[in-house]
Amino acid sequence: DAGVTQSPTHLIKTRGQQVTLRCSPKSGHDTVSWYQQALGQGPQFIFQYYEEEERQRGNFPDRFSGHQFPNYSSELNVNALLLGDSALYLCASRTSGRNIQYFGAGTRLSVL
Amino acid sequence: GENVEQHPSTLSVQEGDSAVIKCTYSDSASNYFPWYKQELGKGPQLIIDIRSNVGEKKDQRIAVTLNKTAKHFSLHITETQPEDSAVYFCAASIRPGTASKLTFGTGTRLQVTL
Repeated sequence: DAGVTQSPTHLIKTRGQQVTLRCSPKSGHDTVSWYQQALGQGPQFIFQYYEEEERQRGNFPDRFSGHQFPNYSSELNVNALLLGDSALYLCASRTSGRNIQYFGAGTRLSVL
Repeated sequence: GENVEQHPSTLSVQEGDSAVIKCTYSDSASNYFPWYKQELGKGPQLIIDIRSNVGEKKDQRIAVTLNKTAKHFSLHITETQPEDSAVYFCAASIRPGTASKLTFGTGTRLQVTL
């Protein structure tokens, strides 16, 4: 049983560019959340998707957007990249109505 | 919104000793408190969790205690081993179906020395 998988593992972009990160949830999970983890910090909640809709959003600008597909996989899009967007982006999945969230290994984004 | 504070930021113990990491939270509506272990280059891995209707939970060498009145919870690792060396994060959230986002502490880097 595959856990949460994310792609790509590493990504280098320049300021102003756009990026798309992908996540496949753990089998049986229908809810996906995205977190940003800056170096030396705890993960910060970006948003959560369930039934293909954004259900909850953290304190992140509109440059951060997402999507969930019918197969529960999800994408995180970031437009107009800033140097401060450099971080590890983590995807977590769970079954709706249950607390336990499982994390993927993350995508390391570097903005130059 | 919820705020989670975590102490200490670094902790060094000798193999076989115990380690304790403490967290406090601010939102009395929070009722689920997981602990994650993150090794270098990996995502956070759930190691134990506790719900607000329970005061203590154990799983082999790991235990978590919760004091709802004081709004703090702690992770206890006994008989530490070198493979316990990692960064540990506490987190808090409220019942899923409403606002189920996890709010994390800032992490504790645990080093277990031989």
